Amino acid sequence: EAQVTQNPRYLITVTGKKLTVTCSQNMNHEYMSWYRQDPGLGLRQIYYSMNVEVTDKGDVPEGYKVSRKEKRNFPLILESPSPNQTSLYFCASSTHSGGAYNEQFFGPGTRLTVL
Amino acid sequence: GNSVTQMEGPVTLSEEAFLTINCTYTATGYPSLFWYVQYPGEGLQLLLKATKADDKGSNKGFEATYRKETTSFHLEKGSVQVSDSAVYFCALVSNTGNQFYFGTGTSLTVIP
Repeated sequence: EAQVTQNPRYLITVTGKKLTVTCSQNMNHEYMSWYRQDPGLGLRQIYYSMNVEVTDKGDVPEGYKVSRKEKRNFPLILESPSPNQTSLYFCASSTHSGGAYNEQFFGPGTRLTVL
Repeated sequence: GNSVTQMEGPVTLSEEAFLTINCTYTATGYPSLFWYVQYPGEGLQLLLKATKADDKGSNKGFEATYRKETTSFHLEKGSVQVSDSAVYFCALVSNTGNQFYFGTGTSLTVIP
């Protein structure tokens, strides 16, 4: 089954404790992305990756890191989480052909609470 | 810059009512436009898309037409069902960049 998986689905942590949220897709997509969803703000793109070893900042990259060492995986790293990073996080992947982006497939989300 | 503005919610409709959710955009180049739907507790799913001016995207009775002259991509459905209750997001990606931009989402509740 074609899918994007994220782990963990729920996480409660404390300020300053490094954490990683994993994302994996089995569709051989070149493009992968991380978003955060906050009430009244919709989805905002954190980072995206066009392919292995190619990453770029979205609208809200501060406090986050990413890496793309393999095509299928795109982990999101919070080196020193703060309470303002409490949010619902989504990973997504997509293909890009003929100059246009195709459908983004989204993971189920990770609800992060930073105390 | 690029941005998407969609109508504020929440929207509450009776079953079989007509639905319109407005979406306007600002973009460099020639964007592709999307509507995504998010059911409670789930990730987003593509509802429909349009990649050039005057294209009409359609799926599951929903439609939206890419209007370049009014920079709009309004979502419509002629007769909503209770199962359409969800949050709807308008989004774009410009052909001059690789970043996606989403609206703030519009919550729809359909009552029997």
